[in-house]
Amino acid sequence: DVKVTQSSRYLVKRTGEKVFLECVQDMDHENMFWYRQDPGLGLRLIYFSYDVKMKEKGDIPEGYSVSREKKERFSLILESASTNQTSMYLCASSLPVLEQYFGPGTRLTVT
Amino acid sequence: AQSVTQLDSQVPVFEEAPVELRCNYSSSVSVYLFWYVQYPNQGLQLLLKYLSGSTLVKGINGFEAEFNKSQTSFHLRKPSVHISDTAEYFCAVIFNDYKLSFGAGTTVTVRA
Repeated sequence: DVKVTQSSRYLVKRTGEKVFLECVQDMDHENMFWYRQDPGLGLRLIYFSYDVKMKEKGDIPEGYSVSREKKERFSLILESASTNQTSMYLCASSLPVLEQYFGPGTRLTVT
Repeated sequence: AQSVTQLDSQVPVFEEAPVELRCNYSSSVSVYLFWYVQYPNQGLQLLLKYLSGSTLVKGINGFEAEFNKSQTSFHLRKPSVHISDTAEYFCAVIFNDYKLSFGAGTTVTVRA
């Protein structure tokens, strides 16, 4: 079974803090994704990566950056957290053009 | 623009009754189609997928979906629901690259 893990289930940070969300997958997938999920909006793609050190912006990249130094790990960085970044963050991985496997999510609250 | 529309945001249903969740997408090109389920405080789990072949797709937990190319739809059905099917359901589409586009989700609440 594919396993995607995320470093924290719940996280509370203060406005202006730098926040790191980590994601690790164990199935040697090329592609990795970061989404945020908000009520009524579904999942929106923040960034994705199709190879080590490669990244592409998704639909809502503003205020976020990513890092992929190793194939199994994909990090999402909030350089200066703001209250409008309070959300559920979901990481996923996949082989090219196939279904994505999701982690359990990190519920981030920025106060 | 390519989009995925789930026509119902909330679907209340009684236990052992059938349920249908509607999903339409906007595209004239070949697509890959998925339904995911999200139980409270969990990530998304794949219910079923359509890549090619038979337009009737069977998934886990007794769910099935039918791909209708002419109507650009991929509706999800279950003939008899259980309390444990209470969850949020997402339709998702790969249009012309490897990115998933999601619908806004349908919350299914099963009542005894």
